[in-house]
Amino acid sequence: EAGVTQSPTHLIKTRGQQATLRCSPISGHTSVYWYQQALGLGLQFLLWYDEGEERNRGNFPPRFSGRQFPNYSSELNVNALELEDSALYLCASSLGLQETQYFGPGTRLLVL
Amino acid sequence: GQQLNQSPQSMFIQEGEDVSMNCTSSSIFNTWLWYKQDPGEGPVLLIALYKAGELTSNGRLTAQFGITRKDSFLNISASIPSDVGIYFCAGIRNTGNQFYFGTGTSLTVIP
Repeated sequence: EAGVTQSPTHLIKTRGQQATLRCSPISGHTSVYWYQQALGLGLQFLLWYDEGEERNRGNFPPRFSGRQFPNYSSELNVNALELEDSALYLCASSLGLQETQYFGPGTRLLVL
Repeated sequence: GQQLNQSPQSMFIQEGEDVSMNCTSSSIFNTWLWYKQDPGEGPVLLIALYKAGELTSNGRLTAQFGITRKDSFLNISASIPSDVGIYFCAGIRNTGNQFYFGTGTSLTVIP
């Protein structure tokens, strides 16, 4: 069974641009979570989607947004990129609320 | 979300030594999870614990769900170079979207 997949693996943008990151959950999983992991730091919760709706949001500005599609895949959009947005962005999926999360390999975003 | 208190923050050990790390919280959790993250990759689930007092092994790894439900421990026996990485604990509560991660323990194994 395929795990969580993310694309692209690497993304280089300049300050002020927009970035779009994509995630496909494990088949059958309805919940998708997004995390930001800056270099050498822990996981910071960004967004949680379940059944197409945003269920919870971490302490990030509105320029971080996303959506979940009918097939449960998800997109994370980051507008007006700033240098400090450079990080590994991890997507995880689970069967639903309070279930174990399984992570994808991440997208490494570099903002120049 | 809220971070769990994980210690130690980093460890440097000789190959063959045993390793212990723990995760604590002021709140009760219903599930404890341990993940390992290799550099530049996503965390991989190692062990999941579902009951207070539960002791679960996965090869050289053993984890325990604390009796108070406020802590969990991970032990690695006879460490090898490929054990290098960052180990994260995570806790789940059954109320709301209560999924918390520890701050991570960075493990370095010296051959």
